[in-house]
Amino acid sequence: DQQVKQNSPSLSVQEGRISILNCDYTNSMFDYFLWYKKYPAEGPTFLISISSIKDKNEDGRFTVFLNKSAKHLSLHIVPSQPGDSAVYFCAAGTNAGGTSYGKLTFGQGTILTVHP
Amino acid sequence: NAGVMQNPRHLVRRRGQEARLRCSPMKGHSHVYWYRQLPEEGLKFMVYLQKENIIDESGMPKERFSAEFPKEGPSILRIQQVVRGDSAAYFCASSPLGQGVSGNTIYFGEGSWLTVV
Repeated sequence: DQQVKQNSPSLSVQEGRISILNCDYTNSMFDYFLWYKKYPAEGPTFLISISSIKDKNEDGRFTVFLNKSAKHLSLHIVPSQPGDSAVYFCAAGTNAGGTSYGKLTFGQGTILTVHP
Repeated sequence: NAGVMQNPRHLVRRRGQEARLRCSPMKGHSHVYWYRQLPEEGLKFMVYLQKENIIDESGMPKERFSAEFPKEGPSILRIQQVVRGDSAAYFCASSPLGQGVSGNTIYFGEGSWLTVV
C-alpha cells in the first residue's frame, strides 16, 4: 500500500535548466508535505515543505507546488546545478485531530542527475 | 545533518546476535523518530518517542524490535536475534515540537547501516 508515490526512478537534466520532480499521494488525510535530498551513505536533508492550505511555497531555487484535487505535488529546481545531483524524496504527514508529529510517509525517491 | 548523532555508522552482526543503535537528538529537541530504509525503497516510519515514553510504535515489527528514549542518554533501537532481512539503513530523526508540527522540519541523522551476515 504505497500511499506516496514517486513514479520516476530517475531524472537527467542539463545544468542551468529546470528540474521537475513529481510526487503523487492517495491519502486525503495528508496535510503537510516535505521534500528531502539525500546523498549516498548520508541521512536525508530537509529542502522545503508546504502545508495543505497553500498551493505554492518558494525558497531560493526551490519551489514546491501542491495540487490537492489531483493529490499531486512537484518540486521545481531552477536553475539546476551539478551539486543538486542526489536522490530526492517527497514525504507527507497528517495533522490528526489538531495535532501532528514527525510520522512521515515517504515516496521511493527519484535520482536526479544534473549534467554540466 | 543538523546535529542528530547516530552511532555506530556501520554495524555487522551474525544471525541471532543483537544489534543496538544509538541516537542523540539535536540540542533542544525532545522528540525522536526512527525510520528504516530497506534496499531500493523509501524510508519507513518505525517509532516515535519522547523522553521515557513511546508515543507511536505502529511501524515497529511485532517481535525482536524495541526502542527506548530514557530520561538521560541517547535513544536506543534494539534488534534481538537479527536475521538477514534486518539488513538496512536505520535513520533517527528529531524535532523540537511534538504536537502541532504541521509543516515543521524533522531533522535526520546520517544513519546506521546494519549488515547481518
